[in-house]
Amino acid sequence: EVQLLESGGGLVQPGGSLRLSCAASGFSFSGYHMSWVRQAPEKGLEWVSGISISGGTTYYADSVEGRFTISRDNSKNTLFLHLNRLTTEDTAVYFCARNLETFDSWGQGTLVTVSS
Amino acid sequence: QAVLTQPSSLSASPGASASLTCTLRSGINVDPYRIYWYQQKPGRPPQFLLGYTSDSHYQQGSGVPSRFSGSKDASANAGFLLISGLQSEDEAAYYCSIWHSSAVVFGGGTKLTVL
Repeated sequence: EVQLLESGGGLVQPGGSLRLSCAASGFSFSGYHMSWVRQAPEKGLEWVSGISISGGTTYYADSVEGRFTISRDNSKNTLFLHLNRLTTEDTAVYFCARNLETFDSWGQGTLVTVSS
Repeated sequence: QAVLTQPSSLSASPGASASLTCTLRSGINVDPYRIYWYQQKPGRPPQFLLGYTSDSHYQQGSGVPSRFSGSKDASANAGFLLISGLQSEDEAAYYCSIWHSSAVVFGGGTKLTVL
């Protein structure tokens, strides 16, 4: 069974940083592109970032380009998202998802709250 | 104007069929795009339903019933999620997405009420 388990969310002040992790199991992690998608409270889905199988190619939404960094450790079956220079607009549940386009598996999400 | 536009809400009766629309912005031709559909219930992560490019290029999500299907209409420049035999459990938010300009774009979502 495919499992994606996010962690690392929490309360952070504006301008702060956070690192999210997504532990994958039940499939060959190193054979799949991976992505992050977020959802602000009572809002719709917003794609954040994607990364290729090797980690050599990354993609970002304009809203996070230059502030967020996606990475992966295939030896540990783990996906990361480094969030820097956070603003209140970044408050959301962050989901990791398998693939770049066809998000066929999702984690339960981790909540990031940016507030002073 | 948003890349993908979805009606914010739709209501339908149990047993009936519902057609959810995802319209592409003028200037973006729906033809070459695969349109993906997700269902999300409150407090739950989204679930992949299907991806539709054409009748010969179609991907149904694992375990997704065949009463969920996709289509496109070039004249409307839109993709559609068709749900037949509506059940109360189909009440949820539905999102469409495409891969466009090296990014994933989601529509704003349609809240489907079954009553």
